[in-house]
Amino acid sequence: EVQLVESGGGLVQPGGSLRLSCAASGFTFRSYWMTWVRQTPGKGLEWVANMNQDGSEKYFLDSVKGRFTISRDNAKNSLYLQMNSLRAEDTAVYYCAGDNRGVFDYWGQGTLVTVSS
Amino acid sequence: EIVLTQSPGTLSLSPGERATLSCRASQSVSGRYLAWYQQKPGQAPRLLIYGASTRATGIPDRFSGSGSGTDFTLTISRLEPEDFAVYYCQQYGSLPRTFGQGTKVEIK
Repeated sequence: EVQLVESGGGLVQPGGSLRLSCAASGFTFRSYWMTWVRQTPGKGLEWVANMNQDGSEKYFLDSVKGRFTISRDNAKNSLYLQMNSLRAEDTAVYYCAGDNRGVFDYWGQGTLVTVSS
Repeated sequence: EIVLTQSPGTLSLSPGERATLSCRASQSVSGRYLAWYQQKPGQAPRLLIYGASTRATGIPDRFSGSGSGTDFTLTISRLEPEDFAVYYCQQYGSLPRTFGQGTKVEIK
């Protein structure tokens, strides 16, 4: 059974940092592109970043470029999202997803990030 | 960036009825790289359709997708109680990947 389990969300002040993790199991993680998607009531679903299998290709939403970094550890079957200089508009539920040529066929349950003073 | 506009915002139907959901793109989606997802309250989205018309593994054949270019449709032939949810389209023909704002299918 495929499982993606996010962790690391929480309450952080504007300007602060947070690191999200996603633990994968049940599929060949090292063979998959991986993606972070966030969801807010106001803006709906929003793709944030993705990376290829060995980390040589990474892409970001313009509004997070220079603030967020994406990384992975294939030995640990884990994906990460380092979020710096957080803003109120980054408040969302963050999902990691298996990215099959742009199709998100596996999803985690999400972790809530709240940016507020 | 390709903007996806879904209509209607809410669809009120009864079990057994047919649901037709629309997704219109601001520019042509290359290669019919359009997917549909279903999301129920408190759950992550679930992939239903990719390549505009290919059902994902385990998706019942009452779900079908069609369209190309800028106009795409998700059809649920006969609504089952478990189909009442929010549906999103998503394009993956270009970066950034983008989603529509969703159509809620609710029980009438």
